[in-house]
Amino acid sequence: DQQVKQNSPSLSVQEGRISILNCDYTNSMFDYFLWYKKYPAEGPTFLISISSIKDKNEDGRFTVFLNKSAKHLSLHIVPSQPGDSAVYFCAASATSFQKLVFGTGTRLLVSP
Amino acid sequence: AAGVIQSPRHLIKEKRETATLKCYPIPRHDTVYWYQQGPGQDPQFLISFYEKMQSDKGSIPDRFSAQQFSDYHSELNMSSLELGDSALYFCASSLSGSNQPQHFGDGTRLSIL
Repeated sequence: DQQVKQNSPSLSVQEGRISILNCDYTNSMFDYFLWYKKYPAEGPTFLISISSIKDKNEDGRFTVFLNKSAKHLSLHIVPSQPGDSAVYFCAASATSFQKLVFGTGTRLLVSP
Repeated sequence: AAGVIQSPRHLIKEKRETATLKCYPIPRHDTVYWYQQGPGQDPQFLISFYEKMQSDKGSIPDRFSAQQFSDYHSELNMSSLELGDSALYFCASSLSGSNQPQHFGDGTRLSIL
């Protein structure tokens, strides 16, 4: 039972354009959401997070949007850069259990 | 900034052998998590520790055990290794409390022959 889903396995974007990565979840207990970037042979790198009391959080080129009623969040990267090419994982946790539940990942390719 | 350190980075074992994976959290982080990532899969939570006590348990086989020591480093002990245990094992650390992001090490790649 995949509680966190990333329905797009891959995404290709041109440099300078916006990248939008999407994530859906099913468990209403989730109240903290994170995005990680992962390069091959490295661990996931924390990018940005959002708690359920907010609907938007911004950090430089990265913005995360949360729509609780739709159980949907998205990561916007603008402008996209070739160095952003990696696998992006959405993850969720709940106050009652702080373990992370991961989505299956989206491979982003930003071409020059 | 100091990151989560895992050792070894690579480990090759044979079936029925034992393995010990080590994790050194970011300084002042008091919570440690272990995850297993199989080929083409997302990371799956195994177990976590807060202040040296087990705080949560996931799909960890009975053949595996873990502990957190007084210096907050953690070790994952794996016995009677099986071919299916071949995976990437990640350790993450965080500060305790709500809404604290977990920071991951680069993992240990365990291969069972």
